[in-house]
Amino acid sequence: EAQVTQNPRYLITVTGKKLTVTCSQNMNHEYMSWYRQDPGLGLRQIYYSMNVEVTDKGDVPEGYKVSRKEKRNFPLILESPSPNQTSLYFCASSPIAGYADTQYFGPGTRLTVL
Amino acid sequence: TQLLEQSPQFLSIQEGENLTVYCNSSSVFSSLQWYRQEPGEGPVLLVTVVTGGEVKKLKRLTFQFGDARKDSSLHITAAQPGDTGLYLCAGAIKTSYDKVIFGPGTSLSVIP
Repeated sequence: EAQVTQNPRYLITVTGKKLTVTCSQNMNHEYMSWYRQDPGLGLRQIYYSMNVEVTDKGDVPEGYKVSRKEKRNFPLILESPSPNQTSLYFCASSPIAGYADTQYFGPGTRLTVL
Repeated sequence: TQLLEQSPQFLSIQEGENLTVYCNSSSVFSSLQWYRQEPGEGPVLLVTVVTGGEVKKLKRLTFQFGDARKDSSLHITAAQPGDTGLYLCAGAIKTSYDKVIFGPGTSLSVIP
């Protein structure tokens, strides 16, 4: 089944404790992206990747890191989480980099930073 | 800063009623997409419109892209409880790639 998977689905952590949210897609998509979703603000892009080893900042990159060492994986790293990073996070992928193609979203990771 | 606005923010209607959701911006989009998101899940694409004035129908859902490609509407006829969810519009802006920005969403609740 074609899908985007994220882990964990739910995470409660404390300020300053490094964490990684994994994202994997099995559709051989070039483009991958991370979003955070907050009430009234919609989906805001954190980082995106056009292809392996190519990543760039989105609209709200502060406090986040990403890597794209393999085409299928695009982990999101929070080196020192803070309470303002409490949010619902989505990973997405689409077939071709550079085009507003269909984005396939993962199921989301709900993160709470205490 | 590009901004996409959606109205209304919340909508609660009875089964069988019709409704329209709006998506507006001051920016011109190369394409516009509508997604639907159910609780606990990621957004799922409903439609992409590309041409100004374009109208697309998906069963009881009608999508329209404004002539100037700055706005869009989603009309649902005879709403059903299964239509309940968060409806997000997303506009693509040409930069070095097609940057997509999302609106804040319209939360629709259809009461049986």
